[in-house]
Amino acid sequence: RKEVEQDPGPFNVPEGATVAFNCTYSNSASQSFFWYRQDCRKEPKLLMSVYSSGNEDGRFTAQLNRASQYISLLIRDSKLSDSATYLCVVIGAAGNKLTFGGGTRVLVKP
Amino acid sequence: NAGVTQTPKFQVLKTGQSMTLQCAQDMNHNSMYWYRQDPGMGLRLIYYSASEGTTDKGEVPNGYNVSRLNKREFSLRLESAAPSQTSVYFCASTTTSGIKTQYFGPGTRLLVL
Repeated sequence: RKEVEQDPGPFNVPEGATVAFNCTYSNSASQSFFWYRQDCRKEPKLLMSVYSSGNEDGRFTAQLNRASQYISLLIRDSKLSDSATYLCVVIGAAGNKLTFGGGTRVLVKP
Repeated sequence: NAGVTQTPKFQVLKTGQSMTLQCAQDMNHNSMYWYRQDPGMGLRLIYYSASEGTTDKGEVPNGYNVSRLNKREFSLRLESAAPSQTSVYFCASTTTSGIKTQYFGPGTRLLVL
């Protein structure tokens, strides 16, 4: 089993709709969690951190479920510009290595 | 600040040739990383350097060597390139306090024939 797993998608989303997807991790001692966004042929960039109590950043909501060992990302009112691959990132107990999921591709269509 | 810079942006090699990928960051970060990204495989860690003077193997170190030249620079060397090393290579550096945000360079697209 991979340390961090994601549904590769693609998730085809009508503009204005809501989309949500998860990321599971295998190491229960994992410390920190993030969502990164990667546009086609570009480098990944931090989208948001994921806090235990859940957090929002505009149209984006991230949740952490430690009991079931997954994090989620929800995008409301999807825009065409939200089309990208979303990478789940987990930092382990040692705190110095980031493990990336394979990414979930989201395509927002008019 | 330029952030993280990488050279070259593109490279074509023949099997058996060697090359060095250069990476530099101007954010005074202690930790630097080299990843490769292949279709469907996500980002895989090749080597990382937690601080100047130290390097450690990641998930896929075979066929690569690294040098942490100073705090700013972290290079990746392919001594004898193989077609399996065709990939996109990203260098990254990480903040050392607070939220550990990883900043990536623009990537090097390498084709080994």
